[in-house]
Amino acid sequence: AQTVTQSQPEMSVQEAETVTLSCTYDTSESDYYLFWYKQPPSRQMILVIRQEAYKQQNATENRFSVNFQKAAKSFSLKISDSQLGDAAMYFCAYKVTGNQFYFGTGTSLTVIP
Amino acid sequence: GAGVSQSPSNKVTEKGKDVELRCDPISGHTALYWYRQSLGQGLEFLIYFQGNSAPDKSGLPSDRFSAERTGGSVSTLTIQRTQQEDSAVYLCASSWGLAGGRLSTDTQYFGPGTRLTVL
Repeated sequence: AQTVTQSQPEMSVQEAETVTLSCTYDTSESDYYLFWYKQPPSRQMILVIRQEAYKQQNATENRFSVNFQKAAKSFSLKISDSQLGDAAMYFCAYKVTGNQFYFGTGTSLTVIP
Repeated sequence: GAGVSQSPSNKVTEKGKDVELRCDPISGHTALYWYRQSLGQGLEFLIYFQGNSAPDKSGLPSDRFSAERTGGSVSTLTIQRTQQEDSAVYLCASSWGLAGGRLSTDTQYFGPGTRLTVL
């Protein structure tokens, strides 16, 4: 069974500091995709970053980067220089092409001014 | 359209009534997903359409829930005889799916959701 686990229901970070959100997943597949989505209070889900499992290089999008450890089935999200607008619910997701997405239960991030 | 649209944005109904929620995916996207998100919770998968293949209905919570996708585009999620526990935000998403090819990251793009309240 495919499962995604986010072990931190809530996290907080001081503005301008760095925070890491953890995500682990369970799969028997070798080729798949991983995503981090952000859901602010407006409830619109927004893609933050994505990673193809066959790529060893960690994905980076501006202040957002991932630490992808394929052997450990770990996919953590690092947010650098945290901003007030980063406050949201963050969901980790996993997918194999042609199949459904599997989402974690989310981590609520608070940014402290 | 430019993005995934859903209608209505909010729906209030009485227990026992039927409701229909609409999703208009991004043009060309062959995959369409419905999720349910209860207050403060994660995403619960409901159903997945991929092109003309039979949909994956494994997430539908009961036979009161059904969905169809006409012409490979617009989708309607129907909830019959609504119950108070059906109150939630219903999110729709679309992606290129298999049309994106094997190397596609198949990113989902979400609509703004429909907030359903059953009184």
